[in-house]
Amino acid sequence: DAGITQSPRHKVTETGTPVTLRCHQTENHRYMYWYRQDPGHGLRLIHYSYGVKDTDKGEVSDGYSVSRSKTEDFLLTLESATSSQTSVYFCAITPGSLDSYGYTFGSGTRLTVV
Amino acid sequence: AQTVTQSQPEMSVQEAETVTLSCTYDTSESDYYLFWYKQPPSRQMILVIRQEAYKQQNATENRFSVNFQKAAKSFSLKISDSQLGDAAMYFCAYRSKFSGTYKYIFGTGTRLKVLA
Repeated sequence: DAGITQSPRHKVTETGTPVTLRCHQTENHRYMYWYRQDPGHGLRLIHYSYGVKDTDKGEVSDGYSVSRSKTEDFLLTLESATSSQTSVYFCAITPGSLDSYGYTFGSGTRLTVV
Repeated sequence: AQTVTQSQPEMSVQEAETVTLSCTYDTSESDYYLFWYKQPPSRQMILVIRQEAYKQQNATENRFSVNFQKAAKSFSLKISDSQLGDAAMYFCAYRSKFSGTYKYIFGTGTRLKVLA
């Protein structure tokens, strides 16, 4: 979807190095999310944000941190990458309302930690 | 806590035939949303259909329809006249209506193969 972009699309990194994934949106949506997708696990929530500088943990947050200094950008950082963090990472956004809006997803980042 | 279960890791269907993907969920809430997402090989997540829990009528979008059984906590997706382009991973998802976080809970997915 044109309103949300993730970068990079692919990345290979070495164990122990820091990695930052970026999610950028042009929809001015309040809520942003980082999920990881792994075979047999579906998508699991890592962290989410409900406003600038407002973030909270999801179910698999260990080893990850996030920051949101502007409405449009939500960064996911792996402080010291491990092989267990090899995954596909998705960013998602939603305006935040009682209506049944689905998420709008980014195109994902495939991260390989070697 | 809510959970979503997709018990079929993989399904196959012949082109032009009908297939049903199953999804069950567990919740103590009375009002919520359910979704089906399609993920083709391009990796893009595409919303297929959505259902609001308090609406009795099953949602329909062209060849895609759901069988929503609230008491049984079941939300299956029926694809009619299957096409090669329907081959993808399908995820069922749950969203609480009043949680205030708008977090989704996803199932583990069903990979659908369409046979020519």
